Amino acid sequence: DGGITQSPKYLFRKEGQNVTLSCEQNLNHDAMYWYRQDPGQGLRLIYYSQIVNDFQKGDIAEGYSVSREKKESFPLTVTSAQKNPTAFYLCASSHGDLDYGYTFGSGTRLTVV
Amino acid sequence: DQQVKQNSPSLSVQEGRISILNCDYTNSMFDYFLWYKKYPAEGPTFLISISSIKDKNEDGRFTVFLNKSAKHLSLHIVPSQPGDSAVYFCAARAISGGSYIPTFGRGTSLIVHP
Repeated sequence: DGGITQSPKYLFRKEGQNVTLSCEQNLNHDAMYWYRQDPGQGLRLIYYSQIVNDFQKGDIAEGYSVSREKKESFPLTVTSAQKNPTAFYLCASSHGDLDYGYTFGSGTRLTVV
Repeated sequence: DQQVKQNSPSLSVQEGRISILNCDYTNSMFDYFLWYKKYPAEGPTFLISISSIKDKNEDGRFTVFLNKSAKHLSLHIVPSQPGDSAVYFCAARAISGGSYIPTFGRGTSLIVHP
């Protein structure tokens, strides 16, 4: 079955450590996105990529980095520079700017202690 | 500044009755609107959408109404079922003009009581 997979579902890290969240899709979608969800804040865009080897900052990119070496994969690194990293992270994909909806992954809950 | 606003953080409805979730937007460039449904610890799933050339779109128990002059849209669920209990996000995008990336509201938590 086609879909988008985020792993792991729960992740714990010590403060000051970088951590990488995985996102893989087999939907042949061109575009991929990372969102962060905090209670009462809705979904805020971190980074997005429309094609391989290209990505753009979203609204809250500071303290995060991404790569898009393969069409299927869009990993997100939460660096030690991110001041409030504890959150629920969602990856999504779409066919690009002509597609009207996203397919979301099931999310990764990151807790930094 | 929020461009997409869902002013009701939560809504409680009796099973079988109508649920009405509201969404307001400020950016006149938005021309396509989407609703997503999200269960706890899961990713959102696409529910229904509407283009600005329409004022109503229906899919089974779900209907979205768009009032462009008021910059307001609403999602109606009739009849409401306990399985509809979830957080509902309104999203808007400007296909014709600016970025195609949707802007999301903060969500409304719907609880449907048996």
